[in-house]
Amino acid sequence: RKEVEQDPGPFNVPEGATVAFNCTYSNSASQSFFWYRQDCRKEPKLLMSVYSSGNEDGRFTAQLNRASQYISLLIRDSKLSDSATYLCVVNYNTDKLIFGTGTRLQVFP
Amino acid sequence: DAGVIQSPRHEVTEMGQEVTLRCKPISGHDYLFWYRQTMMRGLELLIYFNNNVPIDDSGMPEDRFSAKMPNASFSTLKIQPSEPRDSAVYFCASSSPGTSGTTGYNEQFFGPGTRLTVL
Repeated sequence: RKEVEQDPGPFNVPEGATVAFNCTYSNSASQSFFWYRQDCRKEPKLLMSVYSSGNEDGRFTAQLNRASQYISLLIRDSKLSDSATYLCVVNYNTDKLIFGTGTRLQVFP
Repeated sequence: DAGVIQSPRHEVTEMGQEVTLRCKPISGHDYLFWYRQTMMRGLELLIYFNNNVPIDDSGMPEDRFSAKMPNASFSTLKIQPSEPRDSAVYFCASSSPGTSGTTGYNEQFFGPGTRLTVL
């Protein structure tokens, strides 16, 4: 079983739609959580950290469910520029980040 | 501010040749990571350094791969001899520990990557 699992997608949604991605992790000792965004043929970049109480950054909302060991990312009012691959990332209180293989989002006009 | 710099951006080589990838981390970052990304396996950590010292190389696939960090501003990843299955995008990333003592709570800043094709 992979340490971090994501639905690869693609998720094809129209502009203005709300879309949600889930990610599950296998190690209950995981301490910190992130969503990274990777545009086509570019490097990953931090989108947002995920906090236990949930957090919001504009149109993006991240949630953490420790009991069920999953993380979610909700994108409201999707824009064409949101088209990218979204990587779920966990850390076990070490220096290493464990990346999921990503969920691809395609927003169409 | 300059981000993480990698060179070359693209490399095409023939099987059996030596390949050297280069990375300059962000100034002041104590941690440097080398990753490999493929469609099948996603982003995999190969090795990382703290203060120029290799900490964990358990992700290095085999002895054909080696990495060095002679100083705080330069690292290399070498593949010798290269094989077609080494074809991938290789990313370098850097980070700092912040107040937590580990860098796992902090953002990693990635370079643009080197796209390697081994024929």
